[in-house]
Amino acid sequence: AQSVAQPEDQVNVAEGNPLTVKCTYSVSGNPYLFWYVQYPNRGLQFLLKYITGDNLVKGSYGFEAEFNKSQTSFHLKKPSALVSDSALYFCAVRDLRGGNKLTFGTGTQLKVEL
Amino acid sequence: EAEVAQSPRYKITEKSQAVAFWCDPISGHATLYWYRQILGQGPELLVQFQDESVVDDSQLPKDRFSAERLKGVDSTLKIQPAELGDSAMYLCASSQGREGRNEQFFGPGTRLTVL
Repeated sequence: AQSVAQPEDQVNVAEGNPLTVKCTYSVSGNPYLFWYVQYPNRGLQFLLKYITGDNLVKGSYGFEAEFNKSQTSFHLKKPSALVSDSALYFCAVRDLRGGNKLTFGTGTQLKVEL
Repeated sequence: EAEVAQSPRYKITEKSQAVAFWCDPISGHATLYWYRQILGQGPELLVQFQDESVVDDSQLPKDRFSAERLKGVDSTLKIQPAELGDSAMYLCASSQGREGRNEQFFGPGTRLTVL
């Protein structure tokens, strides 16, 4: 069965500092990996995805993520955080051998302070 | 920019009552998903449609939940009777095709409170 772990419930960062939101996954085959962001009382917004190819993926709003197959990780990063980045971030995985089902992590609350 | 539409945005009901949620996906998106998101958790898939056909409803509590997408466009999710434990955010999403590489686009959700 596929699964996703987001080990940190909350990450606090000062504005202008780099941020990292961690994600590890478990699949039996090759993964498709996604990051979504959720603002209060809103649906999820797609940020970026890894399908194949370059391990460093660039997405919306200056976010990027690095696929590391040996560590089964897909950490979300941004070089310089903004207060407006404060939101709930979800990592999700789809196992190519597991059908089309997308499995989400439990989410990491990012708080960017002045 | 095309968006997934959902209504109502908020619904308060008493237990044992029936509730229904509506979703209109992005035009041309063949795949439609209903998720349930409990506070503090990630979304969990309830049902997936490819056009008008159900392709995955393994996590749908079929004794009280039903979903349909009769013409392969908009969809309705129904709960009858509602229970206290059904209080959650219900999210609809759509994607192009059924390939796993396509990202899903989410609507704003319906927050259900069962009293």
